Amino acid sequence: GAGVSQTPSNKVTEKGKYVELRCDPISGHTALYWYRQSLGQGPEFLIYFQGTGAADDSGLPNDRFFAVRPEGSVSTLKIQRTERGDSAVYLCASSLTGSTGVSYNEQFFGPGTRLTVL
Amino acid sequence: GNSVTQMEGPVTLSEEAFLTINCTYTATGYPSLFWYVQYPGEGLQLLLKATKADDKGSNKGFEATYRKETTSFHLEKGSVQVSDSAVYFCALQIGNQFYFGTGTSLTVIP
Repeated sequence: GAGVSQTPSNKVTEKGKYVELRCDPISGHTALYWYRQSLGQGPEFLIYFQGTGAADDSGLPNDRFFAVRPEGSVSTLKIQRTERGDSAVYLCASSLTGSTGVSYNEQFFGPGTRLTVL
Repeated sequence: GNSVTQMEGPVTLSEEAFLTINCTYTATGYPSLFWYVQYPGEGLQLLLKATKADDKGSNKGFEATYRKETTSFHLEKGSVQVSDSAVYFCALQIGNQFYFGTGTSLTVIP
C-alpha cells in the first residue's frame, strides 16, 4: 500500500516569505508527527497529532511555526516569515496509534521536504 | 533532559567485517530504544527496537541490547555487506516524543 507522502519534495523560498508543507499519512493512521532534520543532525521532534488535535507541540521552535490536521488525515506545517535558519529537511511520520509508555507503534516516515530559505 | 549520543562517523568497513556503532542515552523515566536506518535516497526505516532493560532487538543480522546499567544501546552486526551502507540513527522514546542521535554513516566496501 501507499506509504507516507510529502509535498513538495523541495521548496526554495526567500527570507520573510510564508511556506506550507504537506503530509499525507498512511490511511488509517491516527498519529502523525513532524520532525526537522538539519544538515548532519538527527531528526528533531516538532509536533505530534493524535487525530485532529495537537497532543504535543512542545517541539515547535517559536510562534512562526504552526501545524494543522483539520480532518485527522492530511497535515500541513506552516512557517511564517521564514528565516535562513529554517532551512532543513522537514519529515513527517505516521503510526497506527500514538505511542505510550507501555507500548510502541512503529512510525513510518515520509521522504521529507527539503526547505531552502535564501 | 532526554538525549542520545552516538558514535560519530563516517565508518568505512570491508565486506564481512564486524560492525559496532555505539549509542548512549540520557532519559528521565524509562525510555524505549530504537535504531533507524536511512538507505541512500530513501526515508528513515525502523531497523530494530527494545522496550525495556535487557531486551535485545534484532533484524537483518543486526542486534542491540538495552543496557540500563550503562545507559547504552550499541548496534552490532557480525558480518556486514555492501548493501548495509547507509546512515544509522539511534533514538529513544519518552511518551510521544522521540529523540534521535546525529546519525552514523556506514560505507561497506567490497
